[in-house]
Amino acid sequence: EPEVTQTPSHQVTQMGQEVILRCVPISNHLYFYWYRQILGQKVEFLVSFYNNEISEKSEIFDDQFSVERPDGSNFTLKIRSTKLEDSAMYFCASSELRGEKLFFGSGTQLSVL
Amino acid sequence: KNEVEQSPQNLTAQEGEFITINCSYSVGISALHWLQQHPGGGIVSLFMLSSGKKKHGRLIATINIQEKHSSLHITASHPRDSAVYICAATYNTDKLIFGTGTRLQVFP
Repeated sequence: EPEVTQTPSHQVTQMGQEVILRCVPISNHLYFYWYRQILGQKVEFLVSFYNNEISEKSEIFDDQFSVERPDGSNFTLKIRSTKLEDSAMYFCASSELRGEKLFFGSGTQLSVL
Repeated sequence: KNEVEQSPQNLTAQEGEFITINCSYSVGISALHWLQQHPGGGIVSLFMLSSGKKKHGRLIATINIQEKHSSLHITASHPRDSAVYICAATYNTDKLIFGTGTRLQVFP
């Protein structure tokens, strides 16, 4: 079965550093998402992306965050200057059509020290 | 405010038991999702429904629109069903609003 791939699986960084989390969505999918889960908390929506632009973003997704689909396959989340509170598991997801079943990647565990 | 509430938070069962996890949501959802989160953290979508009932193997999901309530049932539970089960909803957008999850442990 096709799957969403995320790299790296773990990322440790120093506060203030930039990180890029990478995702390869399923090839025929058109809608892409980032979610995050702080340890012990609910999964939270960050951003949705369609047709090379952000379609919706949450309050969490401030100016420190950006997303990009630099080529036909990768979908990246960049955090410009990481804070301690950015430590979380970040999930990429994709769907073929809007409102359809989501396929999630296995996540990137980001630890900001 | 669009919210999703789940119960119970934790559930233990003996192998073979019938399990029910409940979810309630605020009015106006587009769709209700049930997902499974494995101990390693990965999330798998189990069901997406906006009415009625869906079944896949030993899993059954139902939704009652009038009561704003959905249930996930597991028949003949097995230790490999141990995971966190999460209810999530969409409200006229495609972002999922997640519940807190129900941690299920099935003992042999």
